[in-house]
Parts: sequence; C-alpha cells; structure tokens
Amino acid sequence: SQTIHQWPATLVQPVGSPLSLECTVEGTSNPNLYWYRQAAGRGLQLLFYSIGIGQISSEVPQNLSASRPQDRQFILSSKKLLLSDSGFYLCAWSIGETQYFGPGTRLLVL
Amino acid sequence: RKEVEQDPGPFNVPEGATVAFNCTYSNSASQSFFWYRQDCRKEPKLLMSVYSSGNEDGRFTAQLNRASQYISLLIRDSKLSDSATYLCVVNVHLGGGADGLTFGKGTHLIIQP
Repeated sequence: SQTIHQWPATLVQPVGSPLSLECTVEGTSNPNLYWYRQAAGRGLQLLFYSIGIGQISSEVPQNLSASRPQDRQFILSSKKLLLSDSGFYLCAWSIGETQYFGPGTRLLVL
Repeated sequence: RKEVEQDPGPFNVPEGATVAFNCTYSNSASQSFFWYRQDCRKEPKLLMSVYSSGNEDGRFTAQLNRASQYISLLIRDSKLSDSATYLCVVNVHLGGGADGLTFGKGTHLIIQP
C-alpha cells in the first residue's frame, strides 16, 4: 500500500530564515505530487504540482519554491520566510483523480 | 464569486440524527467531485467521491446536481466520531495531465451526546 511522509511535523522559524520541507511517497511510481497550504481561517490552496522528476508548476506567485529531485520526493523551500508564510503545509500524491494527503507540517513564522 | 462555497457552520446535531451539508461550485468544467473529512489539526482524508448518479457508502450518501452545480452529503444515524470538518472538493485540470483540487473552506460538524 502507498504511504506518504512529511517532516518535520512542526516548525517554528524566525522571519527571514530559510525553509525546507520534505515529502516522500512509498509504494507507488511516478505519482503526481502536490504542495498545498492551509492558512488559518482559509481553505486549502494549491501551491505547486509536479508530474515528474524536475517538472514543477507553480499555481500562485510567492516567495516559495519547490523541487522534485527524485520520483517520490518533493521539497518545498524558501530563501527568506515571511510572517504570511505561516500555515499548515500539506503534500499530496495522486495517480488518477483522487489525491491522498500526508500528515502535514505546521509552520509558524515569528 | 468563490469557486467552492460551503456553509461554515458549526452544525450542532444530536447523536443519531440525520444531517445534510451542501456546497456549490462555480467552474462548470469540473469533472470530479469529492467530500473529504478533516479532523482538528490533521490532514484531510477522502470520505467519498461523488458521482452523477449519486452514491452511498454506509451511512453516507452523496449527490451531484450538475445543472445547478450543487453537491450534497447526507449523514444518517450520526455518531460522535462523525464530528469533524467536511470539505467539499472539485477538481480542476492542470497542465500535463495533473488534476488540482479546489477546496471549500469546510463545514464544521459537532455531534452532541
């Protein structure tokens, strides 16, 4: 069966510091991968998606970036965090229409 | 206009009652529809897909009205464990064959003993 991992689970970072969140999927090959953010009081927002290694598409302009160095690894990064980057970051995978989410990383930028 | 709209609630419902949620979506090109459940501070989990003919999974029934762009979820014989936020979700085709999901903000359900 497929499993998806995210780490860290919780992160507190100062404004202006860098960020690296990692997501890995097991039990499937060549999945589509996604990064979402859920800010307080708001719905989930799609940030990036990837259909293959090195192929990244951005859905919203922001100071975040994503990379997919391996088939089942998806990384979310920032060079300098903003207060507005606080939120619940969720990685998801899909083959077909249904998406399955990882446990998420709760990020607080102070 | 918001892409997926839901009543945020909270819906306070006694245990054993039947409760219904609705949502509307704005993108008439959407092809796939889902209900996800999200517990407090947890990731969303797929509850069920929603098909044009309507579908049932145990105590849960989902309906889709494409003409009105309206989706519903019915929960019968509600349990305490049904307390959660229910997210209405529609797909949007992205480039390269990927599907993105557009989420409503969710309806908060509280089942009371």
